[in-house]
Amino acid sequence: KNEVEQSPQNLTAQEGEFITINCSYSVGISALHWLQQHPGGGIVSLFMLSSGKKKHGRLIATINIQEKHSSLHITASHPRDSAVYICAVKRAGNQFYFGTGTSLTVIP
Amino acid sequence: SAVISQKPSRDICQRGTSLTIQCQVDSQVTMMFWYRQQPGQSLTLIATANQGSEATYESGFVIDKFPISRPNLTFSTLTVSNMSPEDSSIYLCSVWTDGYGYTFGSGTRLTVV
Repeated sequence: KNEVEQSPQNLTAQEGEFITINCSYSVGISALHWLQQHPGGGIVSLFMLSSGKKKHGRLIATINIQEKHSSLHITASHPRDSAVYICAVKRAGNQFYFGTGTSLTVIP
Repeated sequence: SAVISQKPSRDICQRGTSLTIQCQVDSQVTMMFWYRQQPGQSLTLIATANQGSEATYESGFVIDKFPISRPNLTFSTLTVSNMSPEDSSIYLCSVWTDGYGYTFGSGTRLTVV
């Protein structure tokens, strides 16, 4: 069993739709990270969370520490949002675990 | 956040040869990591690069195949040795900084023929 589980694995949406990607983890963590990887391979940091909620533009990330769950929301989705979204968690003691990623395709 | 320069961005190599990938960080960072991403897969940690000492390798990765150097807090290299087609992947370095989290290099796309 992976320490970090993401769902869905693949997601196709129409432009303008509200999108949710989920991340569940089974270990105690000190921080959770949402990453975005475009087809060219480069990885960009979107958010780092240890509690609550963060918003940046059309992106919102939430985390519930008690439930060991985080969500990434994209409002008014656009084709340029098409990418792989990866959830990563950091434990105390510098252990890191990555989800397998959610591949998002937004169709015009 | 830190800025990482990773080279080369891509290479095509012959079976049996070795390739060294470099990562230069614009600031001193304690935690630096090397990852492999095989086609269609997520990231797999190869090793943690430790400054001034031997790297810490994950299960399934060994120093003879993936020697790593970290001479200071801003630079590291990963060598992929005696390559085979199964080593064709994207290789990425990253650093972790408290308060910001992960920063990744742009990746090295390796094709072994």
